[in-house]
Amino acid sequence: NAGVTQTPKFRILKIGQSMTLQCAQDMNHNYMYWYRQDPGMGLKLIYYSVGAGITDKGEVPNGYNVSRSTTEDFPLRLELAAPSQTSVYFCASSSPRGGPSEQYFGPGTRLTVT
Amino acid sequence: AQSVTQPDIHITVSEGASLELRCNYSYGATPYLFWYVQSPGQGLQLLLKYFSGDTLVQGIKGFEAEFKRSQSSFNLRKPSVHWSDAAEYFCAVVKGNLIFGKGTKLSVKP
Repeated sequence: NAGVTQTPKFRILKIGQSMTLQCAQDMNHNYMYWYRQDPGMGLKLIYYSVGAGITDKGEVPNGYNVSRSTTEDFPLRLELAAPSQTSVYFCASSSPRGGPSEQYFGPGTRLTVT
Repeated sequence: AQSVTQPDIHITVSEGASLELRCNYSYGATPYLFWYVQSPGQGLQLLLKYFSGDTLVQGIKGFEAEFKRSQSSFNLRKPSVHWSDAAEYFCAVVKGNLIFGKGTKLSVKP
């Protein structure tokens, strides 16, 4: 299993540009998540999904959008990039069948907006 | 209100010394607790978890953690640190979704 994969690894955007961060998992997990990590701040939840076709906002959703058309994929869209979105983005997945379970993380995408 | 507090931003220990990383949580119900490790430039890897039962849990890489309800703590320990343990460590609690502490960066002196 590849686990959770993310592309690209690095990206530089200009203010106002848009892009999609890709995330895929091959563990048949129903739950998927997007986090951003800023220095000294831990991880903040952006959006999450409990299954195909179902998404919900996390703690910091403004400026982002998501979709979940398949179990495997959970892309994160930035429509109008702003410097405040400079961060490292992590995708994760889990399978909490009947209770909590650990999340499995991808390697991250480092995004710089200038 | 913050659900997870890691009081130490940065800790330096000598190789071979013991390690304890502190984590305090604020959550009324029985907490589900995790410790993750993040090596530089990498994603997060689960070290160990506590859901119920024995309050001393063993994890990977020789780490253990003890859940103390009376102190609302879930401190991570290792008896003898190796240079490869240098990384950032995150405590997390399930409160609906997973809430992370701000992390403790561990440096290891040779």
